[in-house]
Amino acid sequence: AQSVSQHNHHVILSEAASLELGCNYSYGGTVNLFWYVQYPGQHLQLLLKYFSGDPLVKGIKGFEAEFIKSKFSFNLRKPSVQWSDTAEYFCAVKGNQAGTALIFGKGTTLSVSS
Amino acid sequence: GAVVSQHPSWVICKSGTSVKIECRSLDFQATTMFWYRQFPKQSLMLMATSNEGSKATYEQGVEKDKFLINHASLTLSTLTVTSAHPEDSSFYICSARYMSGLAGGGYNTDTQYFGPGTRLTVL
Repeated sequence: AQSVSQHNHHVILSEAASLELGCNYSYGGTVNLFWYVQYPGQHLQLLLKYFSGDPLVKGIKGFEAEFIKSKFSFNLRKPSVQWSDTAEYFCAVKGNQAGTALIFGKGTTLSVSS
Repeated sequence: GAVVSQHPSWVICKSGTSVKIECRSLDFQATTMFWYRQFPKQSLMLMATSNEGSKATYEQGVEKDKFLINHASLTLSTLTVTSAHPEDSSFYICSARYMSGLAGGGYNTDTQYFGPGTRLTVL
């Protein structure tokens, strides 16, 4: 079955701490991978995406993610979080065929204290 | 670029009435749009895939006669919740598929951009 698993339901960090949010997927075939962020009261925004090539992708606001095919993982990282990074983070996967739908993980709530 | 809007942002209606939600891609054409439902503190659940000029494809368990989807143009998809009931109260989010062109090797690089959502409350 196709699925996305986000290991951490709620992560609490202090400012300047490093962040790593886990994401594992189960999907047959070649995949495209995404991380979306939803700030309080706002809509989903694309943080970064992986389609092919360099498995280390960099996104907006200093975030990066590494695709490890052998582990079916796409973990999100940031070396130093800020209070403004407080949000809900969603990992998502889709097949690489045109028009396939996204499958979302359950999300991870990140709370950053100043 | 790649902005998606939804209207209305929130709506309150009486049980038994119908509500229409619009999803527009403002600066690009989207042959495919998706409708999701998000429950509090939970992930997005795909309801249906909307293709311009053809019938929508509904996910298992989603009543197509209750959630009517029309994708009449390349920039507009509508979701109509018919005969709404309190259990239909939720946050409805649409996304539009943006094709950024083919990367090296003919790889498809389509990405979904999301609207801000519509909060539906059925009394």
